[in-house]
Amino acid sequence: AQRVTQPEKLLSVFKGAPVELKCNYSYSGSPELFWYVQYSRQRLQLLLRHISRESIKGFTADLNKGETSFHLKKPFAQEEDSAMYYCAPRDNYGQNFVFGPGTRLSVLP
Amino acid sequence: SQTIHQWPATLVQPVGSPLSLECTVEGTSNPNLYWYRQAAGRGLQLLFYSVGIGQISSEVPQNLSASRPQDRQFILSSKKLLLSDSGFYLCAWGVRADTEAFFGQGTRLTVV
Repeated sequence: AQRVTQPEKLLSVFKGAPVELKCNYSYSGSPELFWYVQYSRQRLQLLLRHISRESIKGFTADLNKGETSFHLKKPFAQEEDSAMYYCAPRDNYGQNFVFGPGTRLSVLP
Repeated sequence: SQTIHQWPATLVQPVGSPLSLECTVEGTSNPNLYWYRQAAGRGLQLLFYSVGIGQISSEVPQNLSASRPQDRQFILSSKKLLLSDSGFYLCAWGVRADTEAFFGQGTRLTVV
């Protein structure tokens, strides 16, 4: 069965500190992998996707097929990064998104 | 450009009352449509998805149903609400040939 885990419900870091939001998935085949973000009072929106290999707002995510992980990283956190982050694999048929439980990132001044 | 509308933004309903949440998409044709529920501490749960008019797939058996009467309209319904139906409901759409899902603003439903 498809499964996504984000072990941390809440992650607090100080401004300027590195941050890593963990995501592990259990999927057959090779799913496409995404990170979505929801800032306060805003819509849930795409942050980055693995296939594009982009760095968005300083965030990157490395796919480790051996560990089936897709952790989100940023070397220097900013206060405006405080938000809810969801890891979301797309299943092999490309129809559905299964979202992880989410991690709330709080960047302290 | 494509936009997605979801309403109402907030709703307070008594137990046993019916529910109808509506979602419409503009600027695209034949989108995949989704209903999610975001419960406190449980992340996003996919409830229903639709790949075309009249085609509804349910991911989680429950007190809710969905319908797609038109290509760009997706409705979430219940005949009798339960307290456990309270939550934040999100509508989303995606294009088959693309890989990103676009979300509405959400509806905060409180069943009292």
